[in-house]
Amino acid sequence: DGGITQSPKYLFRKEGQNVTLSCEQNLNHDAMYWYRQDPGQGLRLIYYSQIVNDFQKGDIAEGYSVSREKKESFPLTVTSAQKNPTAFYLCATIAGGRGTGELFFGEGSRLTVL
Amino acid sequence: GENVEQHPSTLSVQEGDSAVIKCTYSDSASNYFPWYKQELGKGPQLIIDIRSNVGEKKDQRIAVTLNKTAKHFSLHITETQPEDSAVYFCAASLGGSQGNLIFGKGTKLSVKP
Repeated sequence: DGGITQSPKYLFRKEGQNVTLSCEQNLNHDAMYWYRQDPGQGLRLIYYSQIVNDFQKGDIAEGYSVSREKKESFPLTVTSAQKNPTAFYLCATIAGGRGTGELFFGEGSRLTVL
Repeated sequence: GENVEQHPSTLSVQEGDSAVIKCTYSDSASNYFPWYKQELGKGPQLIIDIRSNVGEKKDQRIAVTLNKTAKHFSLHITETQPEDSAVYFCAASLGGSQGNLIFGKGTKLSVKP
């Protein structure tokens, strides 16, 4: 089935550790996005990529890093520099490189820092 | 920076009643306004969207209205059912890019049988 796969669904991390969240899509969409969701808050944009080997910072990029080596994959690394990393992370894709279609979301990854 | 305000934050209705959620946006260049439904532990799903050249759009029990002059848009759900219970988010595009969305903080809708 076509879709967006995020893994792991749940992740626990000790303070000071980096962790990488996976996002894979087989929709053949050009653009991919990472959003962060906190309780009672809307979604906030972390990073996005409109084409392979290119990405831009969103509103809250500090403490995060990404790569886009393949069209299908857009992993997000939460580094130890992110002061409050506990959150629900959502990956999304859109068909057009300039964002001309519907934004599709994955099922999310919940990160908890112990 | 640009923002989207959404009201109310919680809404409780009886099954069969209507529900209305309102949003206000600040970016005058926004031209795309989607509404998402999020069930517990899942990613948001698009339920309806509207573009700036249209004032109203309807899909069965769901409708969205847009007032560009006032920078307001609203979601209307008629004949609510218990399965409509979820968190609803409005969003507005940053300028002309539909992928770069600014989201409201969400409305938790509870439909009581």
